[in-house]
Amino acid sequence: AQSVSQHNHHVILSEAASLELGCNYSYGGTVNLFWYVQYPGQHLQLLLKYFSGDPLVKGIKGFEAEFIKSKFSFNLRKPSVQWSDTAEYFCAVNRPQGANNLFFGTGTRLTVIP
Amino acid sequence: NAGVTQTPKFRILKIGQSMTLQCTQDMNHNYMYWYRQDPGMGLKLIYYSVGAGITDKGEVPNGYNVSRSTTEDFPLRLELAAPSQTSVYFCASSYSGQGSEQYFGPGTRLTVT
Repeated sequence: AQSVSQHNHHVILSEAASLELGCNYSYGGTVNLFWYVQYPGQHLQLLLKYFSGDPLVKGIKGFEAEFIKSKFSFNLRKPSVQWSDTAEYFCAVNRPQGANNLFFGTGTRLTVIP
Repeated sequence: NAGVTQTPKFRILKIGQSMTLQCTQDMNHNYMYWYRQDPGMGLKLIYYSVGAGITDKGEVPNGYNVSRSTTEDFPLRLELAAPSQTSVYFCASSYSGQGSEQYFGPGTRLTVT
């Protein structure tokens, strides 16, 4: 079965620190990759996605992610976090065939200290 | 647009009771999904629908039923609630299939005691 692993359950950073959240997936074929974010009290919303092409994708709010096929990874990065980035971050994958259902990682809770 | 709305926000059920979680989207999306999220786990797909009248099972369908009589609505039915169904339930929709962004509702927190 397909699985998605997020290595960090809870990350605590000070404002202006750099962020990298790990994501690895187990499916060997072609996949689409996503990062979703859930701010406190809000809906899950899409941060960025990768389907093909440039493996470095840029999303909203200064986030970016790099797809490394050989490592089955899709790590999320931000050079300088802000207090407003405090949220839960979910990595997800789906396959180009079949239904559009997403397989999610367990999430990483990010706390940014002002 | 309200996007994806879910009711209720919270519910406590006794074992063996039934209930329906409501989900409505006003974006004219064809695809709709139900996920559940258990503590410390990622979201898992329960059921999905690719259009009115068409539904299919996801990863964890046991104990649930769905219907899709209209494009807008995708209710999730629990017939005989069990403690294992204590979870947060998210409904989502997307315009089409592969690569189409999924839009999520705010979730329903269900406790079965």
